[in-house]
Amino acid sequence: GQQLNQSPQSMFIQEGEDVSMNCTSSSIFNTWLWYKQDPGEGPVLLIALYKAGELTSNGRLTAQFGITRKDSFLNISASIPSDVGIYFCAGQTVGANNLFFGTGTRLTVIP
Amino acid sequence: DAGVTQSPTHLIKTRGQQVTLRCSPKSGHDTVSWYQQALGQGPQFIFQYYEEEERQRGNFPDRFSGHQFPNYSSELNVNALLLGDSALYLCASSSRPGANVLTFGAGSRLTVL
Repeated sequence: GQQLNQSPQSMFIQEGEDVSMNCTSSSIFNTWLWYKQDPGEGPVLLIALYKAGELTSNGRLTAQFGITRKDSFLNISASIPSDVGIYFCAGQTVGANNLFFGTGTRLTVIP
Repeated sequence: DAGVTQSPTHLIKTRGQQVTLRCSPKSGHDTVSWYQQALGQGPQFIFQYYEEEERQRGNFPDRFSGHQFPNYSSELNVNALLLGDSALYLCASSSRPGANVLTFGAGSRLTVL
């Protein structure tokens, strides 16, 4: 099955810093998504990307759909304590009803 | 507006037992998917139900089965539990099969001893 690898696995940053994380796949996806999971909760959708090269923002979050369709990037600007959590990338292929999730990036923001 | 609700939130079983997990989708959603999330891992797709039928299945053995009811709620059943079945089981609902905008519940954490 598809393997989605996220890096870094974990990050410790100071409040106010910018954050970058990425996700690479062994397969091509037609849709890339980024979800955030807080402790004890299910993942919540942050951003969805539908076209290669697309750059989409949601507040302080910006994500890009890689040109090769095998990768995606998420940036968070001016981090705040509530950004703490695990960030997952997810991909979907044409005709599929399911998502493939990455291994996750755990973000810790130090006040 | 209630989101996705799952029950129970936590449960402990022993090897060989059977378990049933329940999910009520978000209002307006008719499609339910189940995912297994092992500790420290991302969610893995188990199967999806729409119109009371299994529409797609991931790489999980037949010990994992499900059901969808006319009110769109769903159950996940796991038979002959193994230690490796210990995980957070997430239910996600959507407005149609193939939708990538999923609403997840908080999950049911299963521990198999």
